[in-house]
Amino acid sequence: DTGVSQDPRHKITKRGQNVTFRCDPISEHNRLYWYRQTLGQGPEFLTYFQNEAQLEKSRLLSDRFSAERPKGSFSTLEIQRTEQGDSAMYLCASSSRGYGDQYFGPGTRLLVL
Amino acid sequence: QQQVKQSPQSLIVQKGGISIINCAYENTAFDYFPWYQQFPGKGPALLIAIRPDVSEKKEGRFTISFNKSAKQFSLHIMDSQPGDSATYFCAANGAGSYQLTFGKGTKLSVIP
Repeated sequence: DTGVSQDPRHKITKRGQNVTFRCDPISEHNRLYWYRQTLGQGPEFLTYFQNEAQLEKSRLLSDRFSAERPKGSFSTLEIQRTEQGDSAMYLCASSSRGYGDQYFGPGTRLLVL
Repeated sequence: QQQVKQSPQSLIVQKGGISIINCAYENTAFDYFPWYQQFPGKGPALLIAIRPDVSEKKEGRFTISFNKSAKQFSLHIMDSQPGDSATYFCAANGAGSYQLTFGKGTKLSVIP
């Protein structure tokens, strides 16, 4: 399977804990995106990488959120001091062109208790 | 400000019928319009996409119709099947940003 993969698929944590998610994009894609999706809503953009450079960040990405893509391959999204409002599906997507098809992974479902 | 408005919120269609989902956008600089299909607990899957230089694009049973002057685009699913029951999202990007702006989704139910 050469699609986008995400790990873990599910995460339950207590409020105040830190969590980290990983995304492995399609191998030939140099662009990587993170989105957040809450129940009954469409995905909302968080951040975008071209290779290892983080080029766009949403206002949704508060100081508690940080994303990295150190070698231009996989990416990590860390949430510090989690809050109940952080409970959502965190989706990763990748593409080979900026204004082109974005392919999504299965997502990481986060529940903050 | 919601930049992509999607309707209806939910849709029930009989097997073999045509499902039609509509989207309207506000930002005239948008120049790429994809549709995604999402099943419960899964990530969105790209169905079909269109750019403003064409008014229609067809792939199998799925067709996008695009009206640039009205700033509207729609998804038609021909010969709808129970397996098409899912949530469908329209999206758009452009205007110097690579982020996709999504509609709120349409939950489609195809009944036998």
